[in-house]
Parts: sequence; structure tokens; C-alpha cells
Amino acid sequence: KQEVTQIPAALSVPEGENLVLNCSFTDSAIYNLQWFRQDPGKGLTSLLLIQSSQREQTSGRLNASLDKSSGRSTLYIAASQPGDSATYLCAVNGGATNKLIFGTGTLLAVQP
Amino acid sequence: GAGVSQSPSNKVTEKGKDVELRCDPISGHTALYWYRQSLGQGLEFLIYFQGNSAPDKSGLPSDRFSAERTGGSVSTLTIQRTQQEDSAVYLCASSSPGRRLSGANVLTFGAGSRLTVL
Repeated sequence: KQEVTQIPAALSVPEGENLVLNCSFTDSAIYNLQWFRQDPGKGLTSLLLIQSSQREQTSGRLNASLDKSSGRSTLYIAASQPGDSATYLCAVNGGATNKLIFGTGTLLAVQP
Repeated sequence: GAGVSQSPSNKVTEKGKDVELRCDPISGHTALYWYRQSLGQGLEFLIYFQGNSAPDKSGLPSDRFSAERTGGSVSTLTIQRTQQEDSAVYLCASSSPGRRLSGANVLTFGAGSRLTVL
């Protein structure tokens, strides 16, 4: 059974810092991995999707990497801003049904 | 519509009552998913629809939970005889058909329905 773990559970950084969020999964047989952002009281916003054949994806200040063999992904946020404060979730897609298995998230607070 | 719509956004009910939560996916999205997010918990998969059929309903926690989808569009999640542990945010997502490797399988989530059972 696939299990997804995210560390740290919470992180507080001053504005401008670069930071890394970690995601690990137990079953390396995945189709892709997605990083989402969730703001309080809101739904999920997809940030980056990495296919199993890819090593990384970049979007603006965000860079996500994938090491399937070791069951790890990282989300790198450069030059953090207070607007980046949110819960970040990673999710792996391991089956034909496109069902996502989510981690419990990292709550990020960027202090101005 | 432009996004996934869910209603109601908030629902407070008494223990033992039945509730219905509605999801209106993005037009043309054939796949639809229901997830539950309890306080302090991650997102828990409930059920997956492809068209009107549900090939994977493995996440439904008990027989009090059921879901249907009609016309390949709107889906309704029904919880019968609600219990306090059913209190959570229920999220719906949809994705378009297409080849898995094309990126077309990115899920778009609605804002969720917050259920509180007193």
C-alpha cells in the first residue's frame, strides 16, 4: 500500500529565504507526482506535475524534483514571499485510475 | 463552468440526519473524484468515477456513504445517518480524458464542502 510522508509538518521562514519541502513515498511504481498548494478554506491548486520519466519541473520560483528509485521528491521555493504562506501537499499517482495518494502536507509561513 | 463547483460550501447538520453534497465538474472532464479532508489529516480518497460508472469506490468508509454520477457530469455524495466523525471538508476533483503522459490527467479541485455534524 502506497504511503506518502511529508516533512517538515510545519515551517516558518523569514521573507526572502530559499526553502525545501520534502515528500517521500513507499512504492516507487508511480505514474507521476504532483505538488499542490492549499490556502485556508480553499481548494487545492496544482503547482507542478512531474511524470515518472522526468527528474524535475520548474515554474517560476518553484522547482520540483523526483527521484523515483529512492521514493523522494522535493519542492524548492526560491526567494520566498509572504504570499507563499499556505499548506503544500504532494500526491503520487500510481494507478490507471489516476487516483492520487496525498501526504499530510507542510504548513508554510513566510514572515514579512 | 470554468472550474469545479461544489455545493453547499458549508453544511451544519445534526447527528443522524442525511446529507447530500454536490459536485459539478469542468465540462468535458470524464473523470471525477471525491476526497475527504478531516481536521489534521491528509486528503483521503473516497471514490472515482469514469463517466457514470465507479470503477473504484474503495475509499468509501462505510455503507452510509454512497455516490452517483448522472449524464457524465454532476455527482452527488450522500452520507446517511451522519456521525460526528463524518465532519470534514469533502473535496471533488475532475480531470480530462487523454493520454496519461500528456499531462491531461492533472486534477482540478473544487473549493470543497465543509460538513459539520453536531
